[in-house]
Amino acid sequence: QKEVEQDPGPLSVPEGAIVSLNCTYSNSAFQYFMWYRQYSRKGPELLMYTYSSGNKEDGRFTAQVDKSSKYISLFIRDSQPSDSATYLCALNTNAGKSTFGDGTTLTVKP
Amino acid sequence: GAVVSQHPSWVICKSGTSVKIECRSLDFQATTMFWYRQFPKQSLMLMATSNEGSKATYEQGVEKDKFLINHASLTLSTLTVTSAHPEDSSFYICSARTSGRAGYEQYFGPGTRLTVT
Repeated sequence: QKEVEQDPGPLSVPEGAIVSLNCTYSNSAFQYFMWYRQYSRKGPELLMYTYSSGNKEDGRFTAQVDKSSKYISLFIRDSQPSDSATYLCALNTNAGKSTFGDGTTLTVKP
Repeated sequence: GAVVSQHPSWVICKSGTSVKIECRSLDFQATTMFWYRQFPKQSLMLMATSNEGSKATYEQGVEKDKFLINHASLTLSTLTVTSAHPEDSSFYICSARTSGRAGYEQYFGPGTRLTVT
């Protein structure tokens, strides 16, 4: 069983839709929860991070962590075509290494 | 700030040759660098972690004699794929972190696409 499971997708939504991206994990030692966006043939770009249960908002993006359920989500409001990318969740115990989900590819259609 | 570059961005080489990929932190000192490999439509697989001036720590299943990592300075790490074979064709991405930062603060390079013919 993988330490981090990410909803595989792919997702295709119309412009303006709300997008929900999700990961579950099994290791209680994970302390930091990150979301990366990766455009095709590019390196990942850190979108958001959090380290406590609850919601963290940044513009159109909201990261949600539920440590009791070992479940994290990224919500994108008013999605735009420029949001089309692969989204990776990543979890870290602060020991230096991040464990990544397999990614969810999102397409936002104009 | 926190820019990481990689060179080359893509390379094609013949089977049996060696290829060197450079990873540089441009505006900060990278005490730790990570090397990842990513196959199409798959996630990043950590290959090794290197700390400046120390030998790299390789993940299970990664051949250290095939993937040579040198972290010679606080701004440069290199990955050399020795005797490359077609199965080594992949997207190689480095990331860098500076000391004192939490685990999430790692910055990724743009990646190097290696094709072995």
